[in-house]
Amino acid sequence: QSVLTQPPSVSGAPGQRVTISCTGISSNSGATFDVHWYQQLPGKAPKLLIYGDSNRPSGVPDRFSGTKSDTSASLAITGLQAEDEADYYCQSSDSSLSVVFGGGTKVTVL
Amino acid sequence: QVQLVQSGAEVKKPGASVKVSCKASGFTFTNYRIAWLRQAPGQGLEWMGWITTYNGNTRYAQKFQGRVTMTTDTSTTTAYMELRSLRSDDTAVYYCARKATLIDNWFDPWGQGTQVIVSS
Repeated sequence: QSVLTQPPSVSGAPGQRVTISCTGISSNSGATFDVHWYQQLPGKAPKLLIYGDSNRPSGVPDRFSGTKSDTSASLAITGLQAEDEADYYCQSSDSSLSVVFGGGTKVTVL
Repeated sequence: QVQLVQSGAEVKKPGASVKVSCKASGFTFTNYRIAWLRQAPGQGLEWMGWITTYNGNTRYAQKFQGRVTMTTDTSTTTAYMELRSLRSDDTAVYYCARKATLIDNWFDPWGQGTQVIVSS
């Protein structure tokens, strides 16, 4: 059972907006740990999508955005495209500063 | 370009050990930590630990303490992960990944993955 909780699946039609939640983020000294997001295409290694809650690495389309509020974070995909069909994972830290992941969310483009 | 290239697939019997390599290129190897993660079939991602490449210091996830050893060879910019006393539930794809900084915990890039099958 994963420390961070994600919905197993979300779906949307091309062009629509979908969001993936990630709950259970731990805190340290009053501030919650950063959340990062990865995209894993079928049969491929994970790829960094969002780091530090809301930052996009170079080359990641601005259709992808991340937010965090209290102990929850969200990944939004706007203008959903067929190529976005993949598994998405959130990642953070726990109170012992170990790395923890959500269980993953499968995004299906209808 | 920044790249991590891992060794090929392995098939091992229960109780054996496996050693996976991860060759780094395109960046200054000793400026980063290299993490190891795994993904069992149909399952999510699991962090195993990381190694600080310039001094060999390691941080292992509690689950793998005593069974995993991470090392590096700075002369060849290669990281290694050895897992001992293999069990069937160690069957997974094992990934190496570059940790962002000493403080920041995101991973980028990732190696292509190494399939390890544990079967009698």
